[in-house]
Amino acid sequence: GAVVSQHPSWVICKSGTSVKIECRSLDFQATTMFWYRQFPKQSLMLMATSNEGSKATYEQGVEKDKFLINHASLTLSTLTVTSAHPEDSSFYICSASTGGGLNEQFFGPGTRLTVL
Amino acid sequence: GEDVEQSLFLSVREGDSSVINCTYTDSSSTYLYWYKQEPGAGLQLLTYIFSNMDMKQDQRLTVLLNKKDKHLSLRIADTQTGDSAIYFCAESMGGGADGLTFGKGTHLIIQP
Repeated sequence: GAVVSQHPSWVICKSGTSVKIECRSLDFQATTMFWYRQFPKQSLMLMATSNEGSKATYEQGVEKDKFLINHASLTLSTLTVTSAHPEDSSFYICSASTGGGLNEQFFGPGTRLTVL
Repeated sequence: GEDVEQSLFLSVREGDSSVINCTYTDSSSTYLYWYKQEPGAGLQLLTYIFSNMDMKQDQRLTVLLNKKDKHLSLRIADTQTGDSAIYFCAESMGGGADGLTFGKGTHLIIQP
């Protein structure tokens, strides 16, 4: 149980285009979903926290107009990278939490974005 | 600010014990976690420890927490080839609405 999927697993796009990444909790309802970004040989950096039905909370330095997050249901959150540029190329990972004190987060396999 | 540090690589022989170390800076961390990342797979929670504990053992895994020194370690007994992965230390203030702060990950390499 507790499986989280991401789609697509990798995407290549041209500079200036927008890319949508989906994160789904397959067998549980996630009250909170998180989006992380990972550069090569770097740690995962939290980008934003989203709760179903409300606006996402972005970490300092993350542009909310560039990284649009929608959490329309308890099983789906989407991250849209708008007007992507080469510096947005990275590995984007989502996680989903059922809440509770332990804060156990279940992670998706990640999406590799390459912007040409 | 919060910071979690780990060494990038650890090489051990199959059958030996592996000890992966982590230091953190935020003394108000409530939970500390160890995650495992294998190629093509999502991060998998291996184990966790609550901040008021010193040690936790779960089969081949032993977690030691030195809260005074803000030092966390993960010991894997009888290391197997299947343990080859990247291990991330992470901390949280607790509560289901908090994102995690991760270290850069330690790549565990198993020598035959």
